[in-house]
Amino acid sequence: ETGVTQSPTHLIKTRGQQVTLRCSSQSGHNTVSWYQQALGQGPQFIFQYYREEENGRGNFPPRFSGLQFPNYSSELNVNALELDDSALYLCASSLIEVADNYGYTFGSGTRLTVV
Amino acid sequence: TQLLEQSPQFLSIQEGENLTVYCNSSSVFSSLQWYRQEPGEGPVLLVTVVTGGEVKKLKRLTFQFGDARKDSSLHITAAQPGDTGLYLCAGVGAGGTSYGKLTFGQGTILTVHP
Repeated sequence: ETGVTQSPTHLIKTRGQQVTLRCSSQSGHNTVSWYQQALGQGPQFIFQYYREEENGRGNFPPRFSGLQFPNYSSELNVNALELDDSALYLCASSLIEVADNYGYTFGSGTRLTVV
Repeated sequence: TQLLEQSPQFLSIQEGENLTVYCNSSSVFSSLQWYRQEPGEGPVLLVTVVTGGEVKKLKRLTFQFGDARKDSSLHITAAQPGDTGLYLCAGVGAGGTSYGKLTFGQGTILTVHP
């Protein structure tokens, strides 16, 4: 097992810019989901991808978009960055058929700061 | 929209004390999972409970899933400074557009003083 890896670990962007965050899922997993976490709070679900298609979305505007690739890696894109987008962005992967029993594997996150 | 209410938000206790963290919802979940998160890291799975009424023990930690699969609790016996961290409960969506989606509680920041 290689776990879930995210890049970059830290990023500083200017308001209005666009950003792409990357995630490499754990080997054998078929589902990847993205979460936004404010300091000291629980993560908020952004969206989930299964077999390269979005199959669930949280309460986030369309400027948050994503992709899942055939090798189950994923990207999170955010356009027109706002100051409130500053947060820790977490990627999680799972084998969705057994996620109830085996849970989700999270990456260490990307800390995004918008100035 | 599925919501999980987690309480308390903060806990500051002395080493050796017991504590309980609660997670409550009006929604039914496929399973309820507990994670622990250290600063600068992602959440790490502690346990998952699937069956209503299920109780699982992990050393000094006891996890319980409510009979109706809407609520859960985490009880720590004789807390130690190494237990300090952010504890998160998360419900797994049972079906439809919620299938496989994790809904997190607000988190409990636990500090155990020596």
